[in-house]
Amino acid sequence: SQTIHQWPATLVQPVGSPLSLECTVEGTSNPNLYWYRQAAGRGLQLLFYSVGIGQISSEVPQNLSASRPQDRQFILSSKKLLLSDSGFYLCAWSVESVYFGPGTRLTVL
Amino acid sequence: SQQGEEDPQALSIQEGENATMNCSYKTSINNLQWYRQNSGRGLVHLILIRSNEREKHSGRLRVTLDTSKKSSSLLITASRAADTASYFCATAQTDSWGKLQFGAGTQVVVTP
Repeated sequence: SQTIHQWPATLVQPVGSPLSLECTVEGTSNPNLYWYRQAAGRGLQLLFYSVGIGQISSEVPQNLSASRPQDRQFILSSKKLLLSDSGFYLCAWSVESVYFGPGTRLTVL
Repeated sequence: SQQGEEDPQALSIQEGENATMNCSYKTSINNLQWYRQNSGRGLVHLILIRSNEREKHSGRLRVTLDTSKKSSSLLITASRAADTASYFCATAQTDSWGKLQFGAGTQVVVTP
């Protein structure tokens, strides 16, 4: 069966610091991978998606970037965090249904 | 922009009662998916219903889809305290499998 891992689970970072969130998927090959963000009390917003290694599409302009160095690895990064980057970040993979990881709660102070 | 809109925003019921929540969307879809989120946790996939389907069941869950009205409903029968969570609908447009558009969710509280 497929599983999806994210780490860290929680993160508190100062404004201006860099960010690296990692997501890995097991039990499937060449999955479509996604990064979503959930602001407090809201639904999810798609940030990036990837259909293969090195292929990244951005859905909204922002302070973040994504990379896919390996088939089942998806990384969300920032060079300098902003206060507005705080939120709950979820990685997901899909065949038809979309399955989410446990999420990383990021607080930027 | 928000595609799905859930209604009601909040729902409070007692154990054993049924809970119904609705979702409306604006554009043509390929499928619609329902998720549950416990406080501070990740999303759990409940059901996917395709645009050519009208009703699906999974355990105590029943989902309907009316593409002519661009709406879906999620019914939880015989609710339990453990069903307390936020429920989200998300739509996938044609050729956009995992690019889901979410509503703001319905917060359900089931009281023992």
